[in-house]
Amino acid sequence: DAKTTQPNSMESNEEEPVHLPCNHSTISGTDYIHWYRQLPSQGPEYVIHGLTSNVNNRMASLAIAEDRKSSTLILHRATLRDAAVYYCILKAGANNLFFGTGTRLTVIP
Amino acid sequence: KAGVTQTPRYLIKTRGQQVTLSCSPISGHRSVSWYQQTPGQGLQFLFEYFSETQRNKGNFPGRFSGRQFSNSRSEMNVSTLELGDSALYLCASSARLAGRSGETQYFGPGTRLLVL
Repeated sequence: DAKTTQPNSMESNEEEPVHLPCNHSTISGTDYIHWYRQLPSQGPEYVIHGLTSNVNNRMASLAIAEDRKSSTLILHRATLRDAAVYYCILKAGANNLFFGTGTRLTVIP
Repeated sequence: KAGVTQTPRYLIKTRGQQVTLSCSPISGHRSVSWYQQTPGQGLQFLFEYFSETQRNKGNFPGRFSGRQFSNSRSEMNVSTLELGDSALYLCASSARLAGRSGETQYFGPGTRLLVL
C-alpha cells in the first residue's frame, strides 16, 4: 500500500471547522482514500472515503486535490467528542488496512 | 444491529503461555480481520478470514494464527507468548471481501493482553 503523511497533532477550538491534511504523493490510479478515527479507549471508526470527487457524509467532508496527491478531511464544527487520532489510508481493494501514525486532534473547549 | 464483540476484554498471561481471543462480527458480515496495536508499532494488520479461509496475512510470525467458523465468528491464537506480544488486539468485520474501493470495516473494542 502507498504511504500517507499526516501531521502528528493538531488543535482546534470547539465549534470551529477543522481541516486535517494528508499527503499521498505516490497514490496510484486505483487507490481509494479512506479516513478512520480512533477515539480514546475504542477501536477505530470509519469516517469517510473517496476516489476523485469530493465526498460528504453526516460525519465529515473529504476534499481531494485534482492531482490526488493530497486530501483534506473537514470536520465542519468540532466538538469535544471529535477528539481522536485520525488516520488517512490508501486502499486498492483488500481489507487489510495500513494505519500510519495518524493525526491526534485536540479540541479545546 | 449489535456491533463487533470481542472477548475477553482484558487478559493477563505469562511468557511461554498461549492465548485464544474471540471475535463475533456484525450479523451478516462474513469477513473478519485482526489487528495488533502497540505504542511502538501502532496498528498492524495480522490476517483476514472470509468463508472460513485465510485470505490475507500480515507480517507476523507463525506463533500468531487464527480461524473462522461457519457462523463467521473468529478466533486468534498466540502461542509461546513473549513480552512484546502485550498489545491491544482488535477485530474488524466487513460485509464482503473488499471490492475496488475497499469495504468499510467495523472495529470491536479490542482485547487488551498483558504478558508478564
